[in-house]
Amino acid sequence: GAVVSQHPSRVICKSGTSVKIECRSLDFQATTMFWYRQFPKKSLMLMATSNEGSKATYEQGVEKDKFLINHASLTLSTLTVTSAHPEDSSFYICSVRRLAGHNEQFFGPGTRLTVL
Amino acid sequence: DAKTTQPPSMDCAEGRAANLPCNHSTISGNEYVYWYRQIHSQGPQYIIHGLKNNETNEMASLIITEDRKSSTLILPHATLRDTAVYYCIVETNSGNTPLVFGKGTRLSVIA
Repeated sequence: GAVVSQHPSRVICKSGTSVKIECRSLDFQATTMFWYRQFPKKSLMLMATSNEGSKATYEQGVEKDKFLINHASLTLSTLTVTSAHPEDSSFYICSVRRLAGHNEQFFGPGTRLTVL
Repeated sequence: DAKTTQPPSMDCAEGRAANLPCNHSTISGNEYVYWYRQIHSQGPQYIIHGLKNNETNEMASLIITEDRKSSTLILPHATLRDTAVYYCIVETNSGNTPLVFGKGTRLSVIA
């Protein structure tokens, strides 16, 4: 069964609006979650690391005031794309890493954002 | 800098074995080789990983050369549902760090 869920799976919004994407760890508590972005025919690019109870860590070139991350509990992280523009249209994927067993990283199903 | 090199695309006939190569000539002694795949419009899926011994699970086999500078992921009987982008990733498997994805290999399984 799914280990990580995302909601919504797809969203279409008008330019200038804000969009919130939820990421839930279903099988285990996660003090850290990761947010990636993927443009068409491109690979996944890490945007930020979400830390429970503290500020997120953003990768170089990712605007922290535009992509707000809140990791309020051990199973939920949210990414809010503020004042979205067409260039923010992308596939957003969250993930968690299990620090046991194979130590593999589990990915959510992704959220397709289209900004008109 | 990319730690791995993979061919951009490969074709495989349905029912045949798919052999996906990966070069990682600068791999360190404490780094593992991980393989993930991403089916179109889905999140990546873990396949297998290894340090130096060959590994096999229900999905695939991983063959790592003795010098660890390259590896091959083998899907023994490819099906149409195996069509995906396959990513070979090298990392230390310690701590809570995110995976860094390269460009991967786009495998097309053909009927």
